[in-house]
Amino acid sequence: AQSVTQLDSHVSVSEGTPVLLRCNYSSSYSPSLFWYVQHPNKGLQLLLKYTSAATLVKGINGFEAEFKKSETSFHLTKPSAHMSDAAEYFCVVSDFWANNLFFGTGTRLTVIP
Amino acid sequence: NAGVTQTPKFQVLKTGQSMTLQCAQDMNHNSMYWYRQDPGMGLRLIYYSASEGTTDKGEVPNGYNVSRLNKREFSLRLESAAPSQTSVYFCAGRPGGSYEQYFGPGTRLTVT
Repeated sequence: AQSVTQLDSHVSVSEGTPVLLRCNYSSSYSPSLFWYVQHPNKGLQLLLKYTSAATLVKGINGFEAEFKKSETSFHLTKPSAHMSDAAEYFCVVSDFWANNLFFGTGTRLTVIP
Repeated sequence: NAGVTQTPKFQVLKTGQSMTLQCAQDMNHNSMYWYRQDPGMGLRLIYYSASEGTTDKGEVPNGYNVSRLNKREFSLRLESAAPSQTSVYFCAGRPGGSYEQYFGPGTRLTVT
């Protein structure tokens, strides 16, 4: 069975400092992994995806994530936080047949001016 | 392209009432999905449609029905709403050959 665990429910950083949002996954096969962002009262936007190509994946708005099979991790990073990054972030794994996405419980990112 | 659109944006129902949530996509996606989002639980799949004319249950299908009207439209129906169905509902589409899904803006439903 596929699942993801987001290790922090809430992360707070100062503007201009690095962001690290942690995600561990469980999958019985080589997974497809995603990070989605949800701004308040908005839908979900795809930030980036890993589908067994390069292990370091670059996404929109300066975010990137590294797939580490040995650690079963897919952490999201950004070198310098911006106020507009404040949102809820979801780590997601797909099932083998691409018929379901399994969501983590989310990490709320707060950016302090 | 509007992407994935959902109507209505907000709805309040009384227990026992019925309603249909509408979803349409103009991205030529074969597969479409309905999720619900509850606080602290991420999104959970209700139903999906892998192609026009087919539908399948997801993780939490009880109390819901769906119709894939054509390739563009996928509706979710609550026959007899219950307070436990108070949630935010998201529709999504998936391009053929890809694993990622693209989401609509959501419908916030309150059942009193």
